[in-house]
Amino acid sequence: GNSVTQMEGPVTLSEEAFLTINCTYTATGYPSLFWYVQYPGEGLQLLLKATKADDKGSNKGFEATYRKETTSFHLEKGSVQVSDSAVYFCALGRNEKLTFGTGTRLTIIP
Amino acid sequence: EAGVTQFPSHSVIEKGQTVTLRCDPISGHDNLYWYRRVMGKEIKFLLHFVKESKQDESGMPNNRFLAERTGGTYSTLKVQPAELEDSGVYFCASSQVRGQTYEQYFGPGTRLTVT
Repeated sequence: GNSVTQMEGPVTLSEEAFLTINCTYTATGYPSLFWYVQYPGEGLQLLLKATKADDKGSNKGFEATYRKETTSFHLEKGSVQVSDSAVYFCALGRNEKLTFGTGTRLTIIP
Repeated sequence: EAGVTQFPSHSVIEKGQTVTLRCDPISGHDNLYWYRRVMGKEIKFLLHFVKESKQDESGMPNNRFLAERTGGTYSTLKVQPAELEDSGVYFCASSQVRGQTYEQYFGPGTRLTVT
């Protein structure tokens, strides 16, 4: 079946640090890959997506590249801000259904 | 354009009681999904409607859960009778399918606490 393995949290970084949150997946066929973010007190928001191998999704300074050979979709940001503090979910989409990882809580300290 | 809305935002009920959660999708979205996150674990798929029809209900945990989408607009998810393990956050999402590049837009969730 489909599954997503996501870097365990929580992660605490200082402002302007480099961020990587690892995500690997197992799936049949060729899924689409997503990163969703949940800010405190809010719902899930789509952060970025990639639909095929070697695609790079990007938004708000975050990037992730769909790597078929390593079945990975790691989230990166060069310089994090306090406002990036949130829970990040990696997900794969297949047959109209999203399969999520467990989420990584990120806290950025000034 | 209004986003996906869910009601209530939080519900506290006793074991054995009934609770009904409501979801209003984005106008014009034929696809509606229910997910839940239990005790900080991963978010799990429950079911998928296309208009008023259940396309996939493989994630529904048991027959205490009943989802409906009358008229293909809003949807309700009823839990009857509620058990302690039903506590969690229930998310609704909607989408317009564009080939394989679909995006699901999520509501803020309903936090259900069963005591």
